[in-house]
Amino acid sequence: QSVLTQPPSVSGAPGQRVTISCTGSSSDIGAGYDVHWYQQFPGTAPKLLVYANNNRPSGVPDRFSGSKSGTSASLAITGLQAEDEADYYCQSYDSSLSGHYVFGTGTKVTVL
Amino acid sequence: QVQLVESGGGVVQPGRSLRLSCAASGFTFSVYPMHWVRQAPGKGLEWVAITSSDGDTKYYADSVKGRFTISRDNSKNTLSLQMNSLRADDTAIYYCARVSQAGSDIDYWGQGTLVTVSS
Repeated sequence: QSVLTQPPSVSGAPGQRVTISCTGSSSDIGAGYDVHWYQQFPGTAPKLLVYANNNRPSGVPDRFSGSKSGTSASLAITGLQAEDEADYYCQSYDSSLSGHYVFGTGTKVTVL
Repeated sequence: QVQLVESGGGVVQPGRSLRLSCAASGFTFSVYPMHWVRQAPGKGLEWVAITSSDGDTKYYADSVKGRFTISRDNSKNTLSLQMNSLRADDTAIYYCARVSQAGSDIDYWGQGTLVTVSS
């Protein structure tokens, strides 16, 4: 079963911009399926951060933005804040296996 | 407000069975597809299974196919996961999650229930 590849960790100082990549293949992101992003704090359930590549649910700060190109997607955090320190996961759909949803490997964001 | 409350987790021996439940409230349960997603201790998210809104269509991750069964009772607003032939690598927090109506994203998650498979 396929999985989307993310860097294990990224870090930045407060106020900086960091990006998290999500690399897939021609059967998932490259096939045109939407990419979604989730934020998870230790001991809590994930929370939807960006949906359908570049849309934010109500209440999510506009310093979070998503993009997609080819077989990859990215999440950018601009104006990094201490409260953004968390794990981030991308998610899409894999057409090579019927009905299969796939998550990224996850990225830990550390605010220096 | 939307609430998803899982129950049924616990410690179980390898090879045994366990049934998880998820009580949904605050929305019209019968019109939403629902997932089970799990997370092993210290690891990432893993999709487990999905059921359509009417329960007629179900898909499973290869790692659980043939051992786990997802089901729903729309009259009771309940989602279930029957887990048979449990293995040590099934140890995880299991989340019940709602698929958004607009797309394939998960817009609400339960708090999760911990399943530990150990002798």
